[in-house]
Amino acid sequence: GESVGLHLPTLSVQEGDNSIINCAYSNSASDYFIWYKQESGKGPQFIIDIRSNMDKRQGQRVTVLLNKTVKHLSLQIAATQPGDSAVYFCAERGSARQLTFGSGTQLTVLP
Amino acid sequence: KAGVTQTPRYLIKTRGQQVTLSCSPISGHRSVSWYQQTPGQGLQFLFEYFSETQRNKGNFPGRFSGRQFSNSRSEMNVSTLELGDSALYLCASSLVVWGQGAHEQFFGPGTRLTVL
Repeated sequence: GESVGLHLPTLSVQEGDNSIINCAYSNSASDYFIWYKQESGKGPQFIIDIRSNMDKRQGQRVTVLLNKTVKHLSLQIAATQPGDSAVYFCAERGSARQLTFGSGTQLTVLP
Repeated sequence: KAGVTQTPRYLIKTRGQQVTLSCSPISGHRSVSWYQQTPGQGLQFLFEYFSETQRNKGNFPGRFSGRQFSNSRSEMNVSTLELGDSALYLCASSLVVWGQGAHEQFFGPGTRLTVL
């Protein structure tokens, strides 16, 4: 999975700071959401998921927040590290039981 | 446990040709999904196979097809290649049919197809 998108939104954060990556989804019937991380030369890697009946879920250093009222998803990364630099995608599963991916955000961690 | 493997990693074809890409899922995984990734369209779902049957299909023309073998390995074929088919083709495997329940998909590294 090489880098994707010529016009990706970008986010630069200092090492050690917290990162927040946002995603707007389109289908109010989507019942399941996932965040993926894609590093250069690799396929997307699962980070964390959340069902539509939840509004928050925490993992190791990551938290996903879901706001169904405004159809918004966010990924929070605590104490961002250089290894977190990658493209991050949100994905939603709609009524067709297929994953629809967002365009991605390029996260760059500054030393 | 070995991850999802895809072959070949890189491929160059000319317009009008056809191509076959291969995907070996994680051992024990029976569901294989294929995605196309391009700068313009991002990641798009192509199709999903489970137990040698196509269970779900995205919005791609009939030139894109696939199949799954009894050992869960999958191939996808693109016929009459067009310039716009240049993309990274990703395969992902999961234990059960993806659309049923919440099961993690594991992606392979992809096959980079360039159509000249």
